Amino acid sequence: EADIYQTPRYLVIGTGKKITLECSQTMGHDKMYWYQQDPGMELHLIHYSYGVNSTEKGDLSSESTVSRIRTEHFPLTLESARPSHTSQYLCASSEVSGTGDEQYFGPGTRLTVT
Amino acid sequence: KQEVTQIPAALSVPEGENLVLNCSFTDSAIYNLQWFRQDPGKGLTSLLLIQSSQREQTSGRLNASLDKSSGRSTLYIAASQPGDSATYLCAVSRTNPMNTGFQKLVFGTGTRLLVSP
Repeated sequence: EADIYQTPRYLVIGTGKKITLECSQTMGHDKMYWYQQDPGMELHLIHYSYGVNSTEKGDLSSESTVSRIRTEHFPLTLESARPSHTSQYLCASSEVSGTGDEQYFGPGTRLTVT
Repeated sequence: KQEVTQIPAALSVPEGENLVLNCSFTDSAIYNLQWFRQDPGKGLTSLLLIQSSQREQTSGRLNASLDKSSGRSTLYIAASQPGDSATYLCAVSRTNPMNTGFQKLVFGTGTRLLVSP
């Protein structure tokens, strides 16, 4: 079983608040990812990282920002939460192996902005 | 633009049945394909990864096939059990991670499976 953790699991917060979603992995993977998933919809990549001090925006435009100061930690921040940010946020990590680049996912954070 | 479609969107079967989930993708230039399982309110669990050069992968009661030229993959579940109830997601990778160092996954919307006792 993959060792990737996300906190909080559920968060209900008011509009305008700053929030940080935490993601940590203990597998030493270089690559980490943030996906956004609305109910019944596909996962969309919003941020990824090749390694420490490397971050890139994904396919889906997002007002969130990320940082990668340590290999194991990849937090996502929303400076001013809005109801449109209500969604599930999934963190993943991977390491290239001979069989491909298998991604391991955390349990997700379900965010509700009121 | 790569698009991934999964059919059916939902499936309900009695325990013990063998079943097939379908995944199709529009661009056959993929590096690999992954099948995931997602339980309600949870993250994704990787089930099987098939490289583009492979035809199938097996793990226990699961067998995934890949026909890259026709843009199709199937996930076969043998002797289904109530514990198999979940949403099954198919995702294709667009780049070779050994060349670019990064793999972008494009996901389908999933098939919701319910196996009743």
